[in-house]
Amino acid sequence: DAGITQSPRHKVTETGTPVTLRCHQTENHRYMYWYRQDPGHGLRLIHYSYGVKDTDKGEVSDGYSVSRSKTEDFLLTLESATSSQTSVYFCAISENGVNYGYTFGSGTRLTVV
Amino acid sequence: GESVGLHLPTLSVQEGDNSIINCAYSNSASDYFIWYKQESGKGPQFIIDIRSNMDKRQGQRVTVLLNKTVKHLSLQIAATQPGDSAVYFCAENREGYGNKLVFGAGTILRVKS
Repeated sequence: DAGITQSPRHKVTETGTPVTLRCHQTENHRYMYWYRQDPGHGLRLIHYSYGVKDTDKGEVSDGYSVSRSKTEDFLLTLESATSSQTSVYFCAISENGVNYGYTFGSGTRLTVV
Repeated sequence: GESVGLHLPTLSVQEGDNSIINCAYSNSASDYFIWYKQESGKGPQFIIDIRSNMDKRQGQRVTVLLNKTVKHLSLQIAATQPGDSAVYFCAENREGYGNKLVFGAGTILRVKS
């Protein structure tokens, strides 16, 4: 997706290890979001950011932390990965909050074994 | 691609027919709604949006209808094409939820040629 890149695209990790996913944008948008998507579920918000160093929790934030030290980067960290965190993770960006919706990245498929 | 479609309702239509995908929302104070399309292995893509002061909005081959009385949203796709096969999500901005969207579970659209 133009202007937003997620890395890595795929990752397999062991239970108990720390994992960091990166979202990078070139749009200079203020808002950035991390969602997870699981079979049979819609997208569920993990954390979001409304500016550099300004972040807040979403509905499924337990076990996750985020950091945003620069406008363009929003990092999602699993401090100690568990099998329940096996999921597809999507980053989204928005210039004006919810107005006109979000632009999503291509996702990171994380498997915790 | 990711198996996000497990246990989701499925709509099967013949190529060339019209499709109607439905979504119920729970918060009567929600004032902004979006439909997203997600193809296998990709992030969701914005299709069309509507605000609560409107009942209908049309785009290219798509129409969104909003019935606030029964808290129901629908997406109509005219002359459905194979490329329309995807998972479709509705999303709402709930009052008091800030600049965040809440997503529905999704509907799978399968187009038969």
